[in-house]
Amino acid sequence: DQQVKQNSPSLSVQEGRISILNCDYTNSMFDYFLWYKKYPAEGPTFLISISSIKDKNEDGRFTVFLNKSAKHLSLHIVPSQPGDSAVYFCAASPSGTYKYIFGTGTRLKVLA
Amino acid sequence: DAGITQSPRHKVTETGTPVTLRCHQTENHRYMYWYRQDPGHGLRLIHYSYGVKDTDKGEVSDGYSVSRSKTEDFLLTLESATSSQTSVYFCAISAQGGQPQHFGDGTRLSIL
Repeated sequence: DQQVKQNSPSLSVQEGRISILNCDYTNSMFDYFLWYKKYPAEGPTFLISISSIKDKNEDGRFTVFLNKSAKHLSLHIVPSQPGDSAVYFCAASPSGTYKYIFGTGTRLKVLA
Repeated sequence: DAGITQSPRHKVTETGTPVTLRCHQTENHRYMYWYRQDPGHGLRLIHYSYGVKDTDKGEVSDGYSVSRSKTEDFLLTLESATSSQTSVYFCAISAQGGQPQHFGDGTRLSIL
């Protein structure tokens, strides 16, 4: 029972264009969402988060959008750079807990 | 980078042997977590700790035990390793519950 789903295992984007990574969740008790980036042989690195009281959060080239009615969040990277090539995980945390539920990841490849 | 050191970084062992993985932090963070990463599953929480001697189970805790006798160290033990426990193990820390977790670089464990 996958509560957090990333349905696209991989994505290729041209350098300079927008990358959009998607994540769906099923548990309405989730109230905190995060995106992590992971390079090979390294641990995941925190990118950006959003609370369920917001629908958008920006940090430089990275923007996360949250659509609570659709139980959907997305990460936009603009402009995409070759160094953004990595696996991206979304994660969600249920209200009142400190546990994260991770998606299975999307491998982004930014083509020069 | 958060001061998190996982040891060993790589280990190969045989079925039935005990294995202990160590996570050491220099950030004095209260919360520590152990995850495993497997293809098709993302990261799954094994156990976590919310203070010295305070631990709780995650979603895949069977076959694992943990101990935290000092703030800086969180140990994960496989009492009798099985091939299904072959995985990459990540430790994470956070200052407070609900704040982003920061990850170590992982331990690749192979059980033959």
